[in-house]
Amino acid sequence: RKEVEQDPGPFNVPEGATVAFNCTYSNSASQSFFWYRQDCRKEPKLLMSVYSSGNEDGRFTAQLNRASQYISLLIRDSKLSDSATYLCVVGYGQNFVFGPGTRLSVLP
Amino acid sequence: DAGVIQSPRHEVTEMGQEVTLRCKPISGHDYLFWYRQTMMRGLELLIYFNNNVPIDDSGMPEDRFSAKMPNASFSTLKIQPSEPRDSAVYFCASSLGPAGLSYEQYFGPGTRLTVT
Repeated sequence: RKEVEQDPGPFNVPEGATVAFNCTYSNSASQSFFWYRQDCRKEPKLLMSVYSSGNEDGRFTAQLNRASQYISLLIRDSKLSDSATYLCVVGYGQNFVFGPGTRLSVLP
Repeated sequence: DAGVIQSPRHEVTEMGQEVTLRCKPISGHDYLFWYRQTMMRGLELLIYFNNNVPIDDSGMPEDRFSAKMPNASFSTLKIQPSEPRDSAVYFCASSLGPAGLSYEQYFGPGTRLTVT
């Protein structure tokens, strides 16, 4: 079993739709959680950290369920510019572990 | 502020040649990471350093790969001899502190390596 798993997609959604991504991790000692975004042929960029109580940044909401070892990302009112691959990242000790990513295409 | 800087941005070389990739982390960041990304295998951690000291190189594929960090502002990843299967995008990333304390990683633009 991989340490961090994500549905690879692709998710094809119309503009304005709400879309949710899920991520599961296997290491119960994981301490920190992030969502990164990667555009085609670009580097991964931090989208948001994920806090235990859940957090929101504009149209983006992240949730963490430590008991189920599950992280989610919700994008509301999706824009064409949201089209990218979304990477779930888990940290423990000095290690960052990246999931394989979920590809999102927002269609006009 | 300058982000993570990598050079070259693109490298095309012939099989058997030596390749050296370079990285300058964000000033003040204590951690430096080298990753490789391919369509088939995704993003793979190769090695990381803390305060210029290699901590975990278990992701380095084989002895043809080596990495150094002679000082806090410079690191190299060397492949000798290169092979076509080394073709990938190589990313360097840095962070202020350890992952377990919720410090984020910041990535450079990557070096796209093609070995023919």
